[in-house]
Amino acid sequence: DTEVTQTPKHLVMGMTNKKSLKCEQHMGHRAMYWYKQKAKKPPELMFVYSYEKLSINESVPSRFSPECPNSSLLNLHLHALQPEDSALYLCASSMGTDSNQPQHFGDGTRLSIL
Amino acid sequence: SQELEQSPQSLIVQEGKNLTINCTSSKTLYGLYWYKQKYGEGLIFLMMLQKGGEEKSHEKITAKLDEKKQQSSLHITASQPSHAGIYLCGADFAPRINTGKLIFGQGTTLQVKP
Repeated sequence: DTEVTQTPKHLVMGMTNKKSLKCEQHMGHRAMYWYKQKAKKPPELMFVYSYEKLSINESVPSRFSPECPNSSLLNLHLHALQPEDSALYLCASSMGTDSNQPQHFGDGTRLSIL
Repeated sequence: SQELEQSPQSLIVQEGKNLTINCTSSKTLYGLYWYKQKYGEGLIFLMMLQKGGEEKSHEKITAKLDEKKQQSSLHITASQPSHAGIYLCGADFAPRINTGKLIFGQGTTLQVKP
Protein backbone atom coordinates (compact mmCIF):
# COMPACT_ATOMS: atom_id res chain seq x y z
CA ASP A 1 0.00 0.00 0.00
CA THR A 2 1.24 3.45 -0.89
CA GLU A 3 1.37 6.28 1.64
CA VAL A 4 0.53 8.77 -1.09
CA THR A 5 -3.18 8.54 -1.87
CA GLN A 6 -4.58 9.69 -5.20
CA THR A 7 -8.24 10.04 -6.12
CA PRO A 8 -9.98 9.17 -8.28
CA LYS A 9 -8.23 6.07 -9.66
CA HIS A 10 -9.92 6.48 -13.02
CA LEU A 11 -11.49 9.52 -14.67
CA VAL A 12 -13.24 9.88 -18.00
CA MET A 13 -14.12 13.39 -19.06
CA GLY A 14 -15.17 15.34 -22.11
CA MET A 15 -13.11 18.15 -23.56
CA THR A 16 -15.44 20.79 -22.12
CA ASN A 17 -15.56 19.41 -18.58
CA LYS A 18 -13.84 20.71 -15.48
CA LYS A 19 -12.51 18.16 -13.02
CA SER A 20 -9.86 17.88 -10.33
CA LEU A 21 -7.33 15.24 -9.34
CA LYS A 22 -6.46 14.97 -5.66
CA CYS A 23 -3.36 13.80 -3.85
CA GLU A 24 -2.80 13.43 -0.11
CA GLN A 25 0.16 12.40 2.04
CA HIS A 26 0.60 12.29 5.80
CA MET A 27 4.32 11.61 5.99
CA GLY A 28 5.21 15.19 6.87
CA HIS A 29 6.76 15.70 3.44
CA ARG A 30 7.24 19.31 2.33
CA ALA A 31 7.70 18.74 -1.38
CA MET A 32 5.00 17.43 -3.71
CA TYR A 33 5.03 16.69 -7.42
CA TRP A 34 2.79 16.02 -10.39
CA TYR A 35 4.00 13.76 -13.19
CA LYS A 36 2.38 12.72 -16.45
CA GLN A 37 3.06 9.27 -17.87
CA LYS A 38 2.02 8.15 -21.33
CA ALA A 39 1.85 4.46 -22.22
CA LYS A 40 5.26 2.75 -22.43
CA LYS A 41 7.05 5.99 -21.51
CA PRO A 42 8.70 7.14 -18.30
CA PRO A 43 7.03 9.70 -16.05
CA GLU A 44 7.60 13.33 -17.02
CA LEU A 45 7.63 16.05 -14.41
CA MET A 46 4.89 18.68 -14.62
CA PHE A 47 4.98 20.67 -11.37
CA VAL A 48 6.93 20.85 -8.11
CA TYR A 49 5.66 22.40 -4.90
CA SER A 50 8.09 23.10 -2.10
CA TYR A 51 6.72 24.30 1.23
CA GLU A 52 3.34 24.90 -0.45
CA LYS A 53 4.83 27.20 -3.09
CA LEU A 54 5.08 26.36 -6.76
CA SER A 55 8.80 26.04 -7.52
CA ILE A 56 8.78 24.36 -10.94
CA ASN A 57 6.33 24.50 -13.85
CA GLU A 58 7.72 22.50 -16.75
CA SER A 59 5.98 24.68 -19.37
CA VAL A 60 2.71 22.87 -18.77
CA PRO A 61 -0.32 24.21 -20.72
CA SER A 62 -2.62 26.44 -18.66
CA ARG A 63 -5.47 23.93 -18.99
CA PHE A 64 -3.66 22.18 -16.12
CA SER A 65 -3.78 24.23 -12.92
CA PRO A 66 -2.05 22.96 -9.78
CA GLU A 67 -2.98 23.94 -6.26
CA CYS A 68 -1.41 23.14 -2.89
CA PRO A 69 -3.94 24.10 -0.17
CA ASN A 70 -1.68 22.82 2.62
CA SER A 71 1.42 20.71 3.10
CA SER A 72 -0.54 17.45 2.93
CA LEU A 73 -2.70 18.11 -0.11
CA LEU A 74 -2.04 18.66 -3.78
CA ASN A 75 -4.69 19.18 -6.43
CA LEU A 76 -4.56 19.32 -10.19
CA HIS A 77 -7.45 21.20 -11.75
CA LEU A 78 -8.32 20.22 -15.31
CA HIS A 79 -10.24 22.31 -17.84
CA ALA A 80 -10.74 22.04 -21.59
CA LEU A 81 -8.35 19.11 -21.97
CA GLN A 82 -7.39 17.58 -25.29
CA PRO A 83 -7.42 13.88 -26.25
CA GLU A 84 -3.61 13.86 -26.13
CA ASP A 85 -3.84 14.65 -22.41
CA SER A 86 -5.08 11.11 -21.78
CA ALA A 87 -2.44 9.52 -19.55
CA LEU A 88 -1.61 8.26 -16.08
CA TYR A 89 -1.13 11.19 -13.71
CA LEU A 90 1.15 10.45 -10.81
CA CYS A 91 1.58 12.39 -7.61
CA ALA A 92 4.72 12.08 -5.51
CA SER A 93 6.06 13.55 -2.30
CA SER A 94 9.43 13.80 -0.59
CA MET A 95 10.83 15.26 2.61
CA GLY A 96 12.50 18.01 0.59
CA THR A 97 13.74 18.73 -2.92
CA ASP A 98 17.41 17.92 -2.34
CA SER A 99 18.91 14.98 -4.15
CA ASN A 100 19.16 12.75 -1.07
CA GLN A 101 15.39 12.71 -0.55
CA PRO A 102 13.64 9.92 -2.45
CA GLN A 103 10.24 10.64 -3.93
CA HIS A 104 7.35 8.37 -2.98
CA PHE A 105 4.62 7.91 -5.54
CA GLY A 106 0.89 7.32 -5.40
CA ASP A 107 -0.85 4.77 -7.61
CA GLY A 108 -1.94 7.42 -10.06
CA THR A 109 -5.14 8.56 -11.76
CA ARG A 110 -5.83 7.06 -15.18
CA LEU A 111 -7.33 9.94 -17.18
CA SER A 112 -9.20 9.46 -20.46
CA ILE A 113 -10.36 12.43 -22.53
CA LEU A 114 -13.24 11.77 -24.91
CA SER B 1 18.66 13.23 -26.50
CA GLN B 2 18.01 10.80 -23.69
CA GLU B 3 20.04 11.76 -20.61
CA LEU B 4 19.66 8.35 -19.01
CA GLU B 5 19.99 5.22 -21.11
CA GLN B 6 18.72 1.95 -19.74
CA SER B 7 19.63 -1.45 -21.12
CA PRO B 8 18.21 -3.79 -22.01
CA GLN B 9 14.81 -2.35 -22.95
CA SER B 10 13.17 -5.66 -22.13
CA LEU B 11 14.22 -8.91 -20.57
CA ILE B 12 12.65 -12.35 -20.28
CA VAL B 13 14.26 -14.74 -17.82
CA GLN B 14 13.48 -18.13 -16.39
CA GLU B 15 12.54 -18.18 -12.73
CA GLY B 16 15.60 -18.68 -10.58
CA LYS B 17 18.01 -16.98 -12.99
CA ASN B 18 20.07 -13.90 -12.19
CA LEU B 19 19.81 -10.72 -14.22
CA THR B 20 21.30 -7.24 -14.49
CA ILE B 21 19.82 -3.95 -15.69
CA ASN B 22 22.07 -1.00 -16.50
CA CYS B 23 21.53 2.74 -16.35
CA THR B 24 24.11 4.99 -18.05
CA SER B 25 24.58 8.72 -18.32
CA SER B 26 27.09 10.99 -20.02
CA LYS B 27 26.82 13.33 -17.04
CA THR B 28 27.62 12.79 -13.38
CA LEU B 29 24.77 11.15 -11.55
CA TYR B 30 23.65 12.69 -8.29
CA GLY B 31 20.93 11.00 -6.26
CA LEU B 32 20.46 7.97 -8.53
CA TYR B 33 17.16 6.25 -7.76
CA TRP B 34 15.77 2.88 -8.75
CA TYR B 35 12.03 2.34 -8.95
CA LYS B 36 9.79 -0.56 -9.93
CA GLN B 37 6.42 -0.07 -11.62
CA LYS B 38 3.69 -2.55 -12.38
CA TYR B 39 1.56 -1.71 -15.41
CA GLY B 40 -0.86 1.13 -14.71
CA GLU B 41 0.29 1.55 -11.12
CA GLY B 42 2.55 3.91 -9.23
CA LEU B 43 6.31 3.71 -8.84
CA ILE B 44 7.69 1.77 -5.89
CA PHE B 45 10.93 3.17 -4.49
CA LEU B 46 13.65 0.51 -4.33
CA MET B 47 16.98 2.18 -3.56
CA MET B 48 18.91 5.43 -3.70
CA LEU B 49 22.63 5.72 -4.44
CA GLN B 50 24.71 8.84 -4.05
CA LYS B 51 28.38 8.04 -3.57
CA GLY B 52 30.74 6.67 -6.17
CA GLY B 53 31.30 2.95 -5.56
CA GLU B 54 28.24 2.72 -3.34
CA GLU B 55 26.34 -0.56 -3.23
CA LYS B 56 23.03 -1.30 -1.55
CA SER B 57 20.99 -4.46 -1.21
CA HIS B 58 17.41 -5.24 -0.30
CA GLU B 59 16.30 -8.85 -0.26
CA LYS B 60 17.48 -10.25 -3.61
CA ILE B 61 18.07 -6.90 -5.32
CA THR B 62 21.46 -5.17 -5.33
CA ALA B 63 22.17 -1.76 -6.84
CA LYS B 64 25.58 -0.25 -7.49
CA LEU B 65 26.86 3.15 -8.59
CA ASP B 66 30.25 3.13 -10.30
CA GLU B 67 33.21 5.16 -9.06
CA LYS B 68 32.77 7.79 -11.78
CA LYS B 69 29.07 8.14 -10.89
CA GLN B 70 28.00 7.75 -14.49
CA GLN B 71 26.64 4.22 -14.48
CA SER B 72 24.44 2.23 -12.16
CA SER B 73 23.41 -1.39 -12.28
CA LEU B 74 20.55 -3.28 -10.68
CA HIS B 75 21.13 -6.98 -10.11
CA ILE B 76 18.44 -9.48 -9.17
CA THR B 77 19.52 -12.82 -7.80
CA ALA B 78 17.37 -15.94 -8.22
CA SER B 79 14.53 -14.09 -9.93
CA GLN B 80 10.92 -14.81 -9.00
CA PRO B 81 7.63 -14.02 -10.77
CA SER B 82 7.10 -11.27 -8.17
CA HIS B 83 10.09 -9.44 -9.63
CA ALA B 84 8.27 -8.91 -12.93
CA GLY B 85 7.53 -5.30 -13.84
CA ILE B 86 9.14 -2.19 -15.25
CA TYR B 87 12.36 -0.99 -13.64
CA LEU B 88 13.15 2.70 -13.93
CA CYS B 89 16.26 4.59 -12.98
CA GLY B 90 15.92 8.27 -12.17
CA ALA B 91 18.51 10.94 -11.48
CA ASP B 92 18.86 14.50 -10.34
CA PHE B 93 21.24 16.35 -12.68
CA ALA B 94 21.18 19.67 -10.83
CA PRO B 95 21.66 18.84 -7.17
CA ARG B 96 23.18 22.16 -6.16
CA ILE B 97 19.95 24.02 -6.77
CA ASN B 98 17.76 21.37 -5.14
CA THR B 99 14.95 21.41 -7.67
CA GLY B 100 13.68 17.92 -6.93
CA LYS B 101 13.49 17.38 -10.68
CA LEU B 102 14.03 13.75 -11.58
CA ILE B 103 14.84 12.60 -15.09
CA PHE B 104 13.96 8.97 -15.75
CA GLY B 105 15.41 6.41 -18.09
CA GLN B 106 13.10 4.74 -20.60
CA GLY B 107 12.60 1.73 -18.35
CA THR B 108 13.38 -1.98 -18.58
CA THR B 109 10.47 -4.40 -18.77
CA LEU B 110 11.19 -7.65 -16.95
CA GLN B 111 9.22 -10.85 -17.41
CA VAL B 112 9.98 -13.88 -15.26
CA LYS B 113 8.78 -17.20 -16.62
CA PRO B 114 7.78 -19.82 -14.01
